[in-house]
Amino acid sequence: AQTVTQSQPEMSVQEAETVTLSCTYDTSESDYYLFWYKQPPSRQMILVIRQEAYKQQNATENRFSVNFQKAAKSFSLKISDSQLGDAAMYFCAYRSWLNFGNEKLTFGTGTRLTIIP
Amino acid sequence: EPEVTQTPSHQVTQMGQEVILRCVPISNHLYFYWYRQILGQKVEFLVSFYNNEISEKSEIFDDQFSVERPDGSNFTLKIRSTKLEDSAMYFCASLFSGGNTGELFFGEGSRLTVL
Repeated sequence: AQTVTQSQPEMSVQEAETVTLSCTYDTSESDYYLFWYKQPPSRQMILVIRQEAYKQQNATENRFSVNFQKAAKSFSLKISDSQLGDAAMYFCAYRSWLNFGNEKLTFGTGTRLTIIP
Repeated sequence: EPEVTQTPSHQVTQMGQEVILRCVPISNHLYFYWYRQILGQKVEFLVSFYNNEISEKSEIFDDQFSVERPDGSNFTLKIRSTKLEDSAMYFCASLFSGGNTGELFFGEGSRLTVL
């Protein structure tokens, strides 16, 4: 079974600075997807960024980028130029490539990110 | 923008009572899910549902749990006889199409408190 570990329960960053959230995972599979989801207070969880394991290039979405280290089974999220609206709980998640038609995600415990004005 | 909606946002119930949590997925989505998060713990997969039947369920999803899509729009999670350990946030999610590029859309969650 796959596991996802987020070792930072809480992080804080000054507005406009850069912060990196850590995520490690364990799997015996060679093909899979990794995700970062954001959950603002009292709001829906929304997808921030997705990485396919077969792609060597790190995914980027505007101010959000990942550092995907497949051999180390590490998948960190970097948020550049942090904004107050980035304050949320961030979840790292794993999905097997084999789950065709079944988005069964394995989540980490989350990292609560606070933005300091 | 279309979104997944869940009701109630918070429900308090007595142990042993039946609870129904309701979800309205995005209208053209075909796959439906329930996840839950016990306070301070991981978000856990409960069940996936497609073509009017369960496609996969976790070991958490025992005989006390059931899901149905009674009218083509709602997707419900029923807990027949609630236990204290069922207290959690329950998230509904939906997906337009299966495959390897699908993005799950989540609702805001229903917080269940069992006393």
